[in-house]
Amino acid sequence: QSALTQPASVSGSPGQSITISCIGTSSDVGAFGYVSWYQQLPGRAPKLMIYDVSNRPSGVSNRFSGSKSGNTASLTISGLQAEDEADYYCNSYTTSNSYVFGTGTKVTVL
Amino acid sequence: QVQLQESGPGLVKPSETLSLTCSVSGGSISNSYWSWLRQPPGRGLEWIAYIHYDGRTNYNPSLKSRGTISIDTSNSQFSLKLTSVTAADTAVYYCASGAGWYANWGQGTLVTVSS
Repeated sequence: QSALTQPASVSGSPGQSITISCIGTSSDVGAFGYVSWYQQLPGRAPKLMIYDVSNRPSGVSNRFSGSKSGNTASLTISGLQAEDEADYYCNSYTTSNSYVFGTGTKVTVL
Repeated sequence: QVQLQESGPGLVKPSETLSLTCSVSGGSISNSYWSWLRQPPGRGLEWIAYIHYDGRTNYNPSLKSRGTISIDTSNSQFSLKLTSVTAADTAVYYCASGAGWYANWGQGTLVTVSS
């Protein structure tokens, strides 16, 4: 199972919106509504930001939103803040009854 | 808020077995799925396996049957054993609650495979 494809880096200025893509196939992202997103600060464990494509856990800012179209899932961060600077990973269930992560995206706040 | 804590040796020799335990507190282990994940230094995340409190399991096929996940509900712990380790198994190992999406994570423990 190949990793889902994410851009290596995305950057934006404070207050701007950015979108991170997560490109899969019809065997993973495109097959189910089971995509989740994680934020990882340096040296820290990942934090769940979005589950089941577009659901936000309690306590996660509504500046984070998720969506999916076909084989591509997306995470949008609106009103970008310095504290959003981190690595972000997507994850999807697959038709092989397994789970695959994305390659990871480093978000830089300019 | 469920809290998880990994424990186990930080150094394992090649060809030996890696053994880790995750202790769960602040919630019942008997109402959820529990998972192991890992992250090689400087690289991305990889799902290893999950177990349901009733013993149902699922493994990443890439492990090629080297992994065994188990649960001890009486002690609120679940464990991972990975046999025949190589340098490619060097990683930070995380335990987490859930299967498919992971709401709570341990802090992670670095396991280095080296002689």
